[in-house]
Amino acid sequence: QFVLTQPPSASGTPGQRVTISCSGSSSDIGSNYVYWYQQFPGAAPQLLIYRGNERSSGVPDRFSGSKSGTSASLAISGLRSEDEADYYCATWDDSLNGWVFGGGTKLTVL
Amino acid sequence: QVQLVQSGAEVKKPGASVKVSCKVSGNSLSEISLHWVRQAPGKGLEWMGGHDFEDGETTYAQKFQGRVTMTEDTSTDTAYMELNSLRFEDTAMYFCAVDLIGLDPWGQGTLVTVSS
Repeated sequence: QFVLTQPPSASGTPGQRVTISCSGSSSDIGSNYVYWYQQFPGAAPQLLIYRGNERSSGVPDRFSGSKSGTSASLAISGLRSEDEADYYCATWDDSLNGWVFGGGTKLTVL
Repeated sequence: QVQLVQSGAEVKKPGASVKVSCKVSGNSLSEISLHWVRQAPGKGLEWMGGHDFEDGETTYAQKFQGRVTMTEDTSTDTAYMELNSLRFEDTAMYFCAVDLIGLDPWGQGTLVTVSS
């Protein structure tokens, strides 16, 4: 259903490092920058990472992004309770000529 | 800094149309690319379409072709998204977002409920 594939859930304990994967294809992740969004219940998504590995203003350096071929990852180190949220990857798709999203990953801090 | 403020919640019957507005401040609408994304309850984000100010083109996701119209009133810096022939599955939060460096910022969202 979603062009980009993310795991539906992820979890970790405070202080741990967690990674969230995002898999795509040559026409989307393989050709364009990846963006990561954080969304809390009832709120609009907020940009975390842009152009693959640049942090948006105010985003702590505990958050980092990377990309290899047609896959990307979001890493969160020093996990904190306030990181519990939904995370979405997104990129432009050259074939569809539009933005595409992953299905989202619900991060739980145990 | 660009800010987006959307119109209020709507309740519509199946088959009706809804028009959601997105007021831009902090920049001229004619100088930014604005997109629409929706999110069904408990579901992920879905791109509906958007306007590219550089080439003046409006592109719609194939899923919504023929049913959605996105327009802009540059005199009031307000963008509109109209969705026709509403179905129960169109119940969702509808967001506008500026495409500068990625989709950012976003409006607060407009809840559209389709109910008989």
